[in-house]
Amino acid sequence: EVQLVESGGGLVPPGRSLRLSCTTSGFTFSDYAMSWVRQAPGKGLEWVGFIRSKAYGGPTQYAASVEGRFTISRDDSKSIAYLQMRSLKADDTAVYYCTRDRLGKSTARDDAFDIWGQGTMVTVSS
Amino acid sequence: SYVLTQPPSVSVAPGKTAEITCGGDNIATKSVHWYQQKPGQAPVLVMYYDRDRPSGIPERFSGSNSGNTATLTISRVEAGDEADYYCQVWDSRSDHRVFGGGTKLTVL
Repeated sequence: EVQLVESGGGLVPPGRSLRLSCTTSGFTFSDYAMSWVRQAPGKGLEWVGFIRSKAYGGPTQYAASVEGRFTISRDDSKSIAYLQMRSLKADDTAVYYCTRDRLGKSTARDDAFDIWGQGTMVTVSS
Repeated sequence: SYVLTQPPSVSVAPGKTAEITCGGDNIATKSVHWYQQKPGQAPVLVMYYDRDRPSGIPERFSGSNSGNTATLTISRVEAGDEADYYCQVWDSRSDHRVFGGGTKLTVL
């Protein structure tokens, strides 16, 4: 069974850092592009950024709202994707979802997200 | 950046047809994906590349994309279809993924 499990969320003061992990299983992680999507309380979905598979290249991309503060990385040996968040603001408070592109071994840039984790809550507050 | 516009809410009686729209500049040139999200749950892909259904999604769900509007159509609506629905595209200019604001489908 394909699974994505996020972890690392919690309560953090403004200005601090936090690293989220997305532990995956049931598929060849290295073949897939992975994304992070967040949802503030009572709000809609917001794409945060994505990282492509190493074999299919291309730069990691970020939404303007997190560019320069958030970094996405991956450890293919452990099948884990990470979201390093720095200089956190109250506006970053949200459930953070890890999600996978539908096709592996693909250069498609417009693919859909077919598998989602259950999400991890990040609350930025003093 | 590319903007997707969805109506905040759509209401429909059981057994009727619901149409949820997603507006964007010349959206017909893009591939549109649709997600369903029920309260307290992660989103679920219900339509990809405008009109393709993932396995397990009922045939009652269909999609179209023309001009400046993409549409998710749900026929013979059931109470279990009540959820938030989001459209999503890839913006080629920025290489970013973009979501619409979401539409709350209420089954009367």
